[in-house]
Amino acid sequence: EPEVTQTPSHQVTQMGQEVILRCVPISNHLYFYWYRQILGQKVEFLVSFYNNEISEKSEIFDDQFSVERPDGSNFTLKIRSTKLEDSAMYFCASTAANYGYTFGSGTRLTVV
Amino acid sequence: QKEVEQNSGPLSVPEGAIASLNCTYSDRVSQSFFWYRQYSGKSPELIMSIYSNGDKEDGRFTAQLNKASQYVSLLIRDSQPSDSATYLCAVDSVNAGNNRKLIWGLGTSLAVNP
Repeated sequence: EPEVTQTPSHQVTQMGQEVILRCVPISNHLYFYWYRQILGQKVEFLVSFYNNEISEKSEIFDDQFSVERPDGSNFTLKIRSTKLEDSAMYFCASTAANYGYTFGSGTRLTVV
Repeated sequence: QKEVEQNSGPLSVPEGAIASLNCTYSDRVSQSFFWYRQYSGKSPELIMSIYSNGDKEDGRFTAQLNKASQYVSLLIRDSQPSDSATYLCAVDSVNAGNNRKLIWGLGTSLAVNP
């Protein structure tokens, strides 16, 4: 069964450092997403991406965040200057139109 | 603000019993509803999707949808200890630009006792 692949599985970074979280969505999917889940809280939508541009972003997705699909297969989330409150599980998801979402296994980001 | 609400639990049932999980949502125009299972520290795993009013059965799982009441439920029959997890209700939200995203409940923690 096709999978969404995320790397790394766990990233520890110092406050103020830049991190890049990587995702390889399912190859024939068109819509890509990043969600995050702070420990003990709801899964939150960050951003959706379609046709090589952001289609929607949440209030969380401020200027510190950016997304890119650099080579037609990878889909990355960059956090420019990490804060303690960015510590969370980050999930990538992809979907074809009008179908369910497939999630990657997540990246646990720990900012120290 | 679009919301999805679930009882956080924990819901504790004996092995072999029926577990009943409930979810309400605020966005009246939502058309797609999902139940995900999440083990601690892992990503959500899709259990069921439901799009029309009524029941949808898949093995031991039955999803029920009532759009008039804005209510979705998940029944797990013959509960097993391996079903112990957090069950997340997620609702597909479409904005004016026809962009989709999932709105999530906090999840209900289920414990199935041997």
